[in-house]
Amino acid sequence: AQSVSQHNHHVILSEAASLELGCNYSYGGTVNLFWYVQYPGQHLQLLLKYFSGDPLVKGIKGFEAEFIKSKFSFNLRKPSVQWSDTAEYFCAVNRYGGSQGNLIFGKGTKLSVKP
Amino acid sequence: EAGVTQSPTHLIKTRGQQATLRCSPISGHTSVYWYQQALGLGLQFLLWYDEGEERNRGNFPPRFSGRQFPNYSSELNVNALELEDSALYLCASSHQDSQETQYFGPGTRLLVL
Repeated sequence: AQSVSQHNHHVILSEAASLELGCNYSYGGTVNLFWYVQYPGQHLQLLLKYFSGDPLVKGIKGFEAEFIKSKFSFNLRKPSVQWSDTAEYFCAVNRYGGSQGNLIFGKGTKLSVKP
Repeated sequence: EAGVTQSPTHLIKTRGQQATLRCSPISGHTSVYWYQQALGLGLQFLLWYDEGEERNRGNFPPRFSGRQFPNYSSELNVNALELEDSALYLCASSHQDSQETQYFGPGTRLLVL
């Protein structure tokens, strides 16, 4: 069965620190990969997505993610975090073509940024 | 453009009762997905509706059911509520030309007492 692992449950950083959140998935076929963000009191928002092509994907608010097929990884990065990045981040995957419809989510990583 | 909307925002029920949650997708979207976000369990897929048909369901008992209406809105019904059903229920929608990308609503928080 497909699964998504996010290695860090809670990350605490100071403003201007660099961020890398790990995400690994298990599925042998071609997948679509996503990062969603849930700010406190807000709904889940799409941060970025990867379907094919350039494995380095840029998203909103200065976030980027790199797909490394050999490692089944899709890590999220930001060079310099801000207090407003405090949120919970979810990595998700579905099968290429979305034939099963559902997204498989990791358990999320809470990011706390200290001002 | 309005996003996915869900109602009610909060719902309190007692064990054994039934709950009905509603979702309106983004205009032009034909697929609706339901997820459960329970404490400690993360986001788990419940149901997928497309063009009025149930296309896929997750590993949940049959007392979780739903339907999609001709206007593509959807409702999720949970019968015989159990305490463990307390969770945030999220609805998402996608466009038929890019079904892989789902956009989420704010959720309905269900509390079962």
